[in-house]
Amino acid sequence: DAGVTQSPTHLIKTRGQQVTLRCSPKSGHDTVSWYQQALGQGPQFIFQYYEEEERQRGNFPDRFSGHQFPNYSSELNVNALLLGDSALYLCASSWLGDTNTEAFFGQGTRLTVV
Amino acid sequence: KNEVEQSPQNLTAQEGEFITINCSYSVGISALHWLQQHPGGGIVSLFMLSSGKKKHGRLIATINIQEKHSSLHITASHPRDSAVYICAVWFDSNYQLIWGAGTKLIIKP
Repeated sequence: DAGVTQSPTHLIKTRGQQVTLRCSPKSGHDTVSWYQQALGQGPQFIFQYYEEEERQRGNFPDRFSGHQFPNYSSELNVNALLLGDSALYLCASSWLGDTNTEAFFGQGTRLTVV
Repeated sequence: KNEVEQSPQNLTAQEGEFITINCSYSVGISALHWLQQHPGGGIVSLFMLSSGKKKHGRLIATINIQEKHSSLHITASHPRDSAVYICAVWFDSNYQLIWGAGTKLIIKP
């Protein structure tokens, strides 16, 4: 079991461009959450997907959107990139059926906007 | 308000010392995670607790539900333990992990 897999690991984009980040959850997990971690700060919750729908959303603008596929993998899309979007984007997977389930984290995608 | 507080914010110790990092939270939780993050790296889950105590190698995590407090201990600390340690909780009323600010640990040889 590869655990949670994120791609790409690093990415450089230009301001105004669009970016798509991908996450494959741990086998057996059906819920994917995305977090943004700016340099030197704690992760901030972006949104969570379950059954291909956005289940809850943090305080992020509509430029941040996502998708979950039938195989539970997920994408995070960011439009009209700003310099402030530069951060480590973390994906976590868990199993919704048990709130005591352990969440597993990917290694993250380091996005740099120039 | 669902809050998670960690202490200390920064901790520097000598190799071999016993390390304790504390986490307090405001209301009832479903589970608490202790996580480790190395510079520039992703996050690794060390423990998930909903009661009692767990041990893995030199790491020990405890939780006191009544006092709403958890501790992470590292015995015989080593420079490779240097990292940011984060406490994160699933509050009963939420679907998301609420994160502490993290504790930056530096172990000097």
